[in-house]
Amino acid sequence: KAGVTQTPRYLIKTRGQQVTLSCSPISGHRSVSWYQQTPGQGLQFLFEYFSETQRNKGNFPGRFSGRQFSNSRSEMNVSTLELGDSALYLCASSSGTVYTDTQYFGPGTRLTVL
Amino acid sequence: GESVGLHLPTLSVQEGDNSIINCAYSNSASDYFIWYKQESGKGPQFIIDIRSNMDKRQGQRVTVLLNKTVKHLSLQIAATQPGDSAVYFCAENGKYGGATNKLIFGTGTLLAVQP
Repeated sequence: KAGVTQTPRYLIKTRGQQVTLSCSPISGHRSVSWYQQTPGQGLQFLFEYFSETQRNKGNFPGRFSGRQFSNSRSEMNVSTLELGDSALYLCASSSGTVYTDTQYFGPGTRLTVL
Repeated sequence: GESVGLHLPTLSVQEGDNSIINCAYSNSASDYFIWYKQESGKGPQFIIDIRSNMDKRQGQRVTVLLNKTVKHLSLQIAATQPGDSAVYFCAENGKYGGATNKLIFGTGTLLAVQP
């Protein structure tokens, strides 16, 4: 069974631009969660999508948004990029039916904002 | 409040020794806890989990202990191998609003295995 895939793996953008990251969950999984990982703040929850609906949201500004498609693939978008948005963005998938389902992470997208 | 990442503590062990990695969690309402391993350049990899109705759970070469009284988790790795070198994170899922999957991660511990 294929794991969680994320594209692209690396991105370089400049301040003010916007970026879209993509995540394909494990086949059959309906929940996709996004996390930001930085050396200073560690791993922080951004949001979770289940059956095309945002089910939970972390404490990030509105510049961070996401969506989920009917095939459970998810995208997250960051608008008006700031230097502090440089991070590893991880997505995780699970069945989403109970909160004790294991979440499986993808390799991440490394975003660098110049 | 939610845990935030700070300076990453390091545990250095000799190959073949047992390792113990500790974690304090923040939400007393959390009842599901997970340990993840993250190698350089990769995403976190699930190791083992435990529900709050248990004190101990064993896997292959790993054991997780949960002390709810002091909100403390530990991960024990038996006969540590060089391939165990990685950053280890504990995470809690507080069951926010039902079946949601909001994991709150600890700071992480870097495990360095010396041959």
